[in-house]
Amino acid sequence: RKEVEQDPGPFNVPEGATVAFNCTYSNSASQSFFWYRQDCRKEPKLLMSVYSSGNEDGRFTAQLNRASQYISLLIRDSKLSDSATYLCVVNIIQSRRGNQFYFGTGTSLTVIP
Amino acid sequence: NAGVTQTPKFQVLKTGQSMTLQCAQDMNHEYMSWYRQDPGMGLRLIHYSVGAGITDQGEVPNGYNVSRSTTEDFPLRLLSAAPSQTSVYFCASSYGFRGLGETQYFGPGTRLLVL
Repeated sequence: RKEVEQDPGPFNVPEGATVAFNCTYSNSASQSFFWYRQDCRKEPKLLMSVYSSGNEDGRFTAQLNRASQYISLLIRDSKLSDSATYLCVVNIIQSRRGNQFYFGTGTSLTVIP
Repeated sequence: NAGVTQTPKFQVLKTGQSMTLQCAQDMNHEYMSWYRQDPGMGLRLIHYSVGAGITDQGEVPNGYNVSRSTTEDFPLRLLSAAPSQTSVYFCASSYGFRGLGETQYFGPGTRLLVL
């Protein structure tokens, strides 16, 4: 079973739409959670960390549900520049071996004019 | 700061050839790692290091070696390239390895084709 599962999409939405991505993780020992953004043929870049209480950064809202082992990302008022692949990432700290990060396969978003 | 740099950007190898993918960071990060990214598979961890002289295997280590002689550099060696190693390789680093919420910074990637 994969550590992180995401709906690969693709999601094609019009400008101004609200879109939500979901992600589940299998290891209850997961400690930290992130959403990364990856543009075509580029490296992943941190979009936002996900905190237990939920957090917002402008048009982006991330939620974490530890009981259900579920992470979400909501994008409001979609812009053309939001078109990218969004990666769900969990971090498991293993006492001797330090961090290991596990990536979902990514959800593709295309915002249409 | 240059951040995380990788060389080469592109490489074509023949089956059986060996090569080293270079990775360097100038942020004094303790934690460095190598991933490969394949369509439909996401990023998978190959090897990682929590500091100079310390390395460990990730999810898909077979066919790859690493060493960490300095904090800055973390080269990945392909011992005998195989077509299954055709992929995009990313190096990443983060400041610590025991703290929560550590952000990873990625290099621009190396696209490798093995014929």
